[in-house]
Amino acid sequence: GQSLEQPSEVTAVEGAIVQINCTYQTSGFYGLSWYQQHDGGAPTFLSYNALDGLEETGRFSSFLSRSDSYGYLLLQELQMKDSASYFCAVSGVGGFKTIFGAGTRLFVKA
Amino acid sequence: GAGVSQSPSNKVTEKGKDVELRCDPISGHTALYWYRQRLGQGLEFLIYFQGNSAPDKSGLPSDRFSAERTGESVSTLTIQRTQQEDSAVYLCASSIRTGGANEQYFGPGTRLTVT
Repeated sequence: GQSLEQPSEVTAVEGAIVQINCTYQTSGFYGLSWYQQHDGGAPTFLSYNALDGLEETGRFSSFLSRSDSYGYLLLQELQMKDSASYFCAVSGVGGFKTIFGAGTRLFVKA
Repeated sequence: GAGVSQSPSNKVTEKGKDVELRCDPISGHTALYWYRQRLGQGLEFLIYFQGNSAPDKSGLPSDRFSAERTGESVSTLTIQRTQQEDSAVYLCASSIRTGGANEQYFGPGTRLTVT
């Protein structure tokens, strides 16, 4: 089947760096995306990797290795407002499906 | 410009009733997605529209669920004979294109409670 695995929770200190991993058992997809969702809010797009390697967008970076079926989201200079759930997702499965992981809840402490 | 809007924001219905959820995508976005999110869980893909065509309906949980889209605009998700397990937030997203870096823009969702 198609599935993505993420840690359920991660806790980090304000100003630190945190890495959220995502492993998947999916083939034939276009790329790996990351979304942020605050409690009660809608998911918002953070980044996308079509090719292997690192993509950097401000404080956020995302990495993909198709050979290892693995990706991660790296958040630097953590701020309290980064406390949220983070979802990895593979897009274009079967041409158009997007499959999401169960999400990682990030707690940022002062 | 305006983002994705959904209505109603909250819906409480009795078991066995039908409900209709509406999604207005961003103008010009050809791709539209419906997801279901149960409390504390990830997003479950339901259905995708390219224009007004839905090439794959296999994500719909049962035949009580149906969806349609008018052109490249409004979409409705209908749940017939609602059951308590249908209680969830139903999210709609639109994208300017499919596949690739299809950054999806999400609406605020409809919180459905079946009593």
